[in-house]
Amino acid sequence: DQQVKQNSPSLSVQEGRISILNCDYTNSMFDYFLWYKKYPAEGPTFLISISSIKDKNEDGRFTVFLNKSAKHLSLHIVPSQPGDSAVYFCAARTGGGADGLTFGKGTHLIIQP
Amino acid sequence: NAGVTQTPKFQVLKTGQSMTLQCAQDMNHNSMYWYRQDPGMGLRLIYYSASEGTTDKGEVPNGYNVSRLNKREFSLRLESAAPSQTSVYFCASSERGRPPYGYTFGSGTRLTVV
Repeated sequence: DQQVKQNSPSLSVQEGRISILNCDYTNSMFDYFLWYKKYPAEGPTFLISISSIKDKNEDGRFTVFLNKSAKHLSLHIVPSQPGDSAVYFCAARTGGGADGLTFGKGTHLIIQP
Repeated sequence: NAGVTQTPKFQVLKTGQSMTLQCAQDMNHNSMYWYRQDPGMGLRLIYYSASEGTTDKGEVPNGYNVSRLNKREFSLRLESAAPSQTSVYFCASSERGRPPYGYTFGSGTRLTVV
């Protein structure tokens, strides 16, 4: 059973507008949530994270919001730029053995000029 | 440049052949991981090593073995490759127990089994 779900395989947004990527989870034991960005033929790179005791974390154009009661988090990118076109993975930490992360299937963000 | 290095970048194997994917990190991280990425499946954990000398199974360990050779190196072995193991393999490392718990990933090995 998938514990981290990204229900939108792809998302198209116009350059300069806001991109909102969504992620849902089922495991109440997750204590940290992370977003990764991946370009073709490269490994994923860490983007931003949020602790389960917070509801918002901001880093430049990127903001992550966490709604624990709804078991939902979202990544906002404002303003969207062409270089933001990539696959975005949501991940959650269970705190087990080696800080194990569970990943969603990813959302392909396409920024239209 | 500091980071995670994977070799080879590309490999084609025949069914039944064996091979070892190599991974090395120079960030002095304790924990290392092997993931596979398949279309529509996201990243799935194969094996991980919390620290030198320890290894544990992840979500999809069947058909694989691993060796944590030392703190820097973590290899993944396919003893008898199958077409179902065609995938992109990523190695990652992390500083265990310290927020934000982000992994550093290698650039991947694209493996095709025919």
